[in-house]
Amino acid sequence: EVQLVESGEGLVQPGSSMKLSCVASGFTFSNYGMNWIRQAPKKGLEWIALIYYDSSSKYYADSVKGRFTISRDNSKNTLYLEMNSLRSEDTAMYYCAKSGGGYSPDYWGQGVMVTVSS
Amino acid sequence: DIVMTQSPSSLAVSAGETVTINCKSSQSLLSSGNQKNYLAWYQQKPGQSPKLLIYLASTRESGVPDRFIGSGSGTDFTLTISSVQAEDLADYYCQQHYSYPLTFGSGTKLEIK
Repeated sequence: EVQLVESGEGLVQPGSSMKLSCVASGFTFSNYGMNWIRQAPKKGLEWIALIYYDSSSKYYADSVKGRFTISRDNSKNTLYLEMNSLRSEDTAMYYCAKSGGGYSPDYWGQGVMVTVSS
Repeated sequence: DIVMTQSPSSLAVSAGETVTINCKSSQSLLSSGNQKNYLAWYQQKPGQSPKLLIYLASTRESGVPDRFIGSGSGTDFTLTISSVQAEDLADYYCQQHYSYPLTFGSGTKLEIK
């Protein structure tokens, strides 16, 4: 059974940094691209980043480009999202998701809440 | 970026009825290389993570009931839910997986009368 478990939830001040982790199990992590997708409270879904299975390519949404960094450690089956210069508009539930058929995210974690507020 | 326009934003139906949700993309999602449309549909029940229902416009994810049907090509797509059940209460999102950044529609809230 595919499982994705995020961690790193918390409340931070604007301008600060935070790092999220996502531990994967139930599939061969090193064979799949991985995504981060977020959802602001009572809002829709926003894809923010993808990393290829071998870290050879990374893509970002304009809203986070230059501030967030996606990375992975295939030896630990873990995906990361390093977030810098956080803004109030980054307040959201953050989900990690595995890329599936046609590269659409197929399995999603339960999400972690990031709140940026003074 | 590809803009996804989804309609309606909400709808309320009685159990047993058929529901249609529409999604339009600002550019074609049809790959000339393999003739596949890179459009997915997700279901998000209250308090849960999104669940993939359909990808490549019409391919049902494993375990998804066959009352969920995806159709369309190019820029116009539809999710049809036949014989809606109470458990189908959820938000539904379309998403293009043709190019990065991946983009989602604004969502459709399905309520059961």
